[in-house]
Amino acid sequence: EPEVTQTPSHQVTQMGQEVILRCVPISNHLYFYWYRQILGQKVEFLVSFYNNEISEKSEIFDDQFSVERPDGSNFTLKIRSTKLEDSAMYFCASSEAGGGIGYTFGSGTRLTVV
Amino acid sequence: AQSVTQPDIHITVSEGASLELRCNYSYGATPYLFWYVQSPGQGLQLLLKYFSGDTLVQGIKGFEAEFKRSQSSFNLRKPSVHWSDAAEYFCAVATNRDDKIIFGKGTRLHILP
Repeated sequence: EPEVTQTPSHQVTQMGQEVILRCVPISNHLYFYWYRQILGQKVEFLVSFYNNEISEKSEIFDDQFSVERPDGSNFTLKIRSTKLEDSAMYFCASSEAGGGIGYTFGSGTRLTVV
Repeated sequence: AQSVTQPDIHITVSEGASLELRCNYSYGATPYLFWYVQSPGQGLQLLLKYFSGDTLVQGIKGFEAEFKRSQSSFNLRKPSVHWSDAAEYFCAVATNRDDKIIFGKGTRLHILP
């Protein structure tokens, strides 16, 4: 069964550093997403991406965040200057069509900011 | 805006007992509804989803859920739980046009031996 692959599985970074989280979506999927889950809390939507541009973003997704699909296969989330409160599990997802049809989540990257 | 409410933060059941996890949603039209399960430190596994048609949906691991439009509910059930079912369960909703999924706060299931 096709998978969404996320790397690394765990990343530790110092406060103020830039971090890039990587995702390889399923090859024929067209919609890409990032979600965040702070430890012990619910999963929160960050951003959706379609046709090489952001289609929707949440209030969490401020100027410190950016997304990119640099080479047609990878989908990245960049945090420019990390804060302690950015520590969370970040999930990438992809789908064939909008509306949650055929959604597949990756296994997540645990980001720890120290 | 759409939202999801899972009224039970923790639920404890004995192994072999039946289980029902509650979920209520808020959305004006017919939503797409999901249940996901998450073991500690792990990713999200889709148990089942409802898009249309039969309101009783069968999922993996022996789970089922029933969509009740009149109650805006999508409760998850299992007739007999196993110790391996101990995990966090998330109900979620998506709309026809928006392409994001809104998650509830989750219910942590504990299993007594």
